[in-house]
Amino acid sequence: SQQGEEDPQALSIQEGENATMNCSYKTSINNLQWYRQNSGRGLVHLILIRSNEREKHSGRLRVTLDTSKKSSSLLITASRAADTASYFCATDAWGNKLVFGAGTILRVKS
Amino acid sequence: DVKVTQSSRYLVKRTGEKVFLECVQDMDHENMFWYRQDPGLGLRLIYFSYDVKMKEKGDIPEGYSVSREKKERFSLILESASTNQTSMYLCASSLNAGGSYEQYFGPGTRLTVT
Repeated sequence: SQQGEEDPQALSIQEGENATMNCSYKTSINNLQWYRQNSGRGLVHLILIRSNEREKHSGRLRVTLDTSKKSSSLLITASRAADTASYFCATDAWGNKLVFGAGTILRVKS
Repeated sequence: DVKVTQSSRYLVKRTGEKVFLECVQDMDHENMFWYRQDPGLGLRLIYFSYDVKMKEKGDIPEGYSVSREKKERFSLILESASTNQTSMYLCASSLNAGGSYEQYFGPGTRLTVT
């Protein structure tokens, strides 16, 4: 079952611009996590936001969570070519596992 | 530094072969996971283990089995490989039970079954 769904599927921006990706999910959650995957590699954890948090920052990353709308967004500010990757949201629905969405492919052009 | 390693980056096997994918983590994590990743479908959980010799089915366990004899090692077994098991396989580990902790991923094994 696919809990999280990212939007858009693909995003292409210029270096220096901001990139926003959205994630919607279906059931109540304990926390939501965002991961990055560079081409053909494993995933790297970016940030975790708990269900009682509304916003979290980490460097150039800003994540928001709206549990009433069952949605989250990931904002990357001042994007760089090195940010080119796929980004996945993953939800922990009070179980022993994460459920990943299909991901957003971000391309940052220099 | 946290490290999850997988035995092969690329693997080509024939239909009907028995395939072993090995994963080793050096972080003393209790939880280990096997996912497969296919375009447009994201990551789907095959099996996970929260302790030595313990395993639980994920969303797509059919055609797969797992083994965890030691805490640091989690093996995925394809008993009789089929072409629809051609995919990228990712192993991950995490501290403690539950998804409340971040998962650390290996680099992946791209398996092709011909």
